[in-house]
Amino acid sequence: EAGVAQSPRYKIIEKRQSVAFWCNPISGHATLYWYQQILGQGPKLLIQFQNNGVVDDSQLPKDRFSAERLKGVDSTLKIQPAKLEDSAVYLCASSLMTGRTEAFFGQGTRLTVV
Amino acid sequence: AQSVTQPDIHITVSEGASLELRCNYSYGATPYLFWYVQSPGQGLQLLLKYFSGDTLVQGIKGFEAEFKRSQSSFNLRKPSVHWSDAAEYFCAVGASNTGKLIFGQGTTLQVKP
Repeated sequence: EAGVAQSPRYKIIEKRQSVAFWCNPISGHATLYWYQQILGQGPKLLIQFQNNGVVDDSQLPKDRFSAERLKGVDSTLKIQPAKLEDSAVYLCASSLMTGRTEAFFGQGTRLTVV
Repeated sequence: AQSVTQPDIHITVSEGASLELRCNYSYGATPYLFWYVQSPGQGLQLLLKYFSGDTLVQGIKGFEAEFKRSQSSFNLRKPSVHWSDAAEYFCAVGASNTGKLIFGQGTTLQVKP
């Protein structure tokens, strides 16, 4: 079974530029999560989708971050404009359903904003 | 508020020695608890999980964890550490309604030869 796919693996951009990350979850997984992991910290949830609807985006900085999952399968996370403090690893995860279930993580995208 | 605390930021053990990583949580309802491991440049791999039932759970790579409700703890143990266990370990509590994971700050494990 293929795992969660993310691209790119690494990205370096200048502040105020825009960037987009892509995630393809495990086939059949209805729930998709985007987490932000700042160096030295545990991951923090940015947004959660159930199919193509948003379940939780309370921690998403909506003035600069956006995410979509239009067809309920793959998802894109965008930052525009980027700030230095956005430097982090962005992890995508998926699970079969919401609630009492385990999540499977992709390898992440390491973003460096200079 | 829901939270997870991993008191030890960095632990060093000798290869072959036993290991215990501590995790304390704060959660209003029945917690769903997880331990993940992250090697450098990699995503998170699930070691084990507790949903209900037996409070001692077995995971992959010889790890186990014990859920102690009275102490709000879910400590990870391994009887004999291998050099390949060097990594960062995260404890997490899962929200029962959404599945959202709340992570601790992680414990970095270094293994001495």
